[in-house]
Amino acid sequence: QQKVQQSPESLSVPEGGMASLNCTSSDRNFQYFWWYRQHSGEGPKALMSIFSDGDKKEGRFTAHLNKASLHVSLHIRDSQPSDSALYFCAASEHETSGSWQLIFGSGTQLTVMP
Amino acid sequence: DAGVTQTPRHEVAEKGQTIILKCEPVSGHNDLFWYRQTKIQGLELLSYFRSKSLMEDGGAFKDRFKAEMLNSSFSTLKIQPTEPKDSAVYLCASSLFGIYEQYFGPGTRLTVL
Repeated sequence: QQKVQQSPESLSVPEGGMASLNCTSSDRNFQYFWWYRQHSGEGPKALMSIFSDGDKKEGRFTAHLNKASLHVSLHIRDSQPSDSALYFCAASEHETSGSWQLIFGSGTQLTVMP
Repeated sequence: DAGVTQTPRHEVAEKGQTIILKCEPVSGHNDLFWYRQTKIQGLELLSYFRSKSLMEDGGAFKDRFKAEMLNSSFSTLKIQPTEPKDSAVYLCASSLFGIYEQYFGPGTRLTVL
């Protein structure tokens, strides 16, 4: 079983609409979460991090973390065609060795229709 | 500031060949990562260096994959010998330290015939 699971696999929203992406971890050691976005032909780029329970807002993007349920979500309001991309959730734990690996989910393909 | 640079952007190899992919991380970053990306498996960690010391070697990728950091500003990933199942996009990323944001390069698309 993947340690970081994302849903849905793909999502289509109209321009100006709200897109909601979900991520669930199966490992209670994961305390640090990131959202990354990857446009076709490019490497992933970090959107935002969230390390504490609750909401974190950056412009049109809002992330929500609930550590008790190991659930993190990303909401994109006023979606634009340029938001069409593959979105990854990534999680990390601080290992005693000092290692900081990011474990990535399989991604949600978002399409924003003009 | 220059981002992460990867060369070549595209590589075509015959089965059994040795290929070397190159990566220049963001200047001043201490952590460097090599990932493989495929549609089926997603993003898989191949190697992880901190200040040129190998922290993780990707387990299942050990036998034919070898990453090295020759200095703090240059890393290589060698695949020897290549197999058709190695066809994928290989991504290099760097971060300042630990939990800080990872900056990814554009990737090298490898096709093994």
